[in-house]
Amino acid sequence: DTGVSQNPRHKITKRGQNVTFRCDPISEHNRLYWYRQTLGQGPEFLTYFQNEAQLEKSRLLSDRFSAERPKGSFSTLEIQRTEQGDSAMYLCASSLGAPPLYFGEGSWLTVV
Amino acid sequence: AQSVSQHNHHVILSEAASLELGCNYSYGGTVNLFWYVQYPGQHLQLLLKYFSGDPLVKGIKGFEAEFIKSKFSFNLRKPSVQWSDTAEYFCAVNDVSYGQNFVFGPGTRLSVLP
Repeated sequence: DTGVSQNPRHKITKRGQNVTFRCDPISEHNRLYWYRQTLGQGPEFLTYFQNEAQLEKSRLLSDRFSAERPKGSFSTLEIQRTEQGDSAMYLCASSLGAPPLYFGEGSWLTVV
Repeated sequence: AQSVSQHNHHVILSEAASLELGCNYSYGGTVNLFWYVQYPGQHLQLLLKYFSGDPLVKGIKGFEAEFIKSKFSFNLRKPSVQWSDTAEYFCAVNDVSYGQNFVFGPGTRLSVLP
């Protein structure tokens, strides 16, 4: 299967700890997106990369959140000093130029 | 602010019933429109997309959607649902003049009773 891969799939962390999620997009997809989804809601846009350049960031992405895509391939999303409100599913998607987006299975974060 | 609304939070149907899920958006420019489906425990999957041309688009698994520009709508339809269509359905809009982010609606949960 050469779809979008995310890990870890589940993460439980204590409030105040840092967590990092990794996303491996579909090979040769130059665009990579991060979304957040909470129960009963649609995915909310966080940020978007074209190759290694982070071109757009949502206001939802506070200064505790940072995303990188160092070589234009995989990406990481780090959340520092986690809060209970950060509990959500973090989704990664990729595309080759124009949409549509192809999504991974997501990484569930629970902050206790 | 740009937004996408979906008319129903939860729809319950019996097998073989017809389905129509509403989606409206609030963009004035050129848009690309999508419907995604999320089966229980699975990732978001693309059902169908509209970029331009024929406003009636067909997707996978017998789904279709109609773009009505004057109504800012992109409703999803299926003439006869099956139990396996039980899932969450999300409408998404990409405003091509604004940027590359997609805005998703809040989703409609479809439960199909056998």
